[in-house]
Amino acid sequence: ETGVTQSPTHLIKTRGQQVTLRCSSQSGHNTVSWYQQALGQGPQFIFQYYREEENGRGNFPPRFSGLQFPNYSSELNVNALELDDSALYLCASSLAGRGGKYFGPGTRLTVT
Amino acid sequence: AQKVTQAQTEISVVEKEDVTLDCVYETRDTTYYLFWYKQPPSGELVFLIRRNSFDEQNEISGRYSWNFQKSTSSFNFTITASQVVDSAVYFCALRVTSGTYKYIFGTGTRLKVLA
Repeated sequence: ETGVTQSPTHLIKTRGQQVTLRCSSQSGHNTVSWYQQALGQGPQFIFQYYREEENGRGNFPPRFSGLQFPNYSSELNVNALELDDSALYLCASSLAGRGGKYFGPGTRLTVT
Repeated sequence: AQKVTQAQTEISVVEKEDVTLDCVYETRDTTYYLFWYKQPPSGELVFLIRRNSFDEQNEISGRYSWNFQKSTSSFNFTITASQVVDSAVYFCALRVTSGTYKYIFGTGTRLKVLA
């Protein structure tokens, strides 16, 4: 196990609603990033936070937003949910400039 | 544009066979990083290796080895004497930092090792 935790494990929401997903980084890691993984696909980079500031973003609309807190934990917020937002959302922590990313188990979001 | 291509969707081998997973990347950056991750059936992505664009040395770690060739923009992964526990989806990824930081995954190769 990596030490990265995510909550909740599963979530079911209705189209148009808003959702907040949470992630706790591995101890000592100062960078957190979020990914969307549709079934049978590779993870798609949403954004990354370093020291509480967004320092990278993939091709996702502004309704995907996030926060990183002083303890390096993080939230992913998605507004105005669409059916295509149904996916596994992965959080990963890392130490800036070193090694690879350490992923959490993910949150499975279903939008109906 | 940056892109990672894993042309092999699924590979099946018999235990103890060697298998190579291909990864081809595209980027105009001169500084970049390449990675391999393993996603077992449990679902949690596991970091395997990172290589920077200035280091073309091959790497060996136990039964795993990686061949990085800038001339062909490839970063291939070989498992020697495969085992059933190697069954998983393997992802190659590219990190670029010119402009905005981006992290691009390939579509993955599903490896099935049969007993």
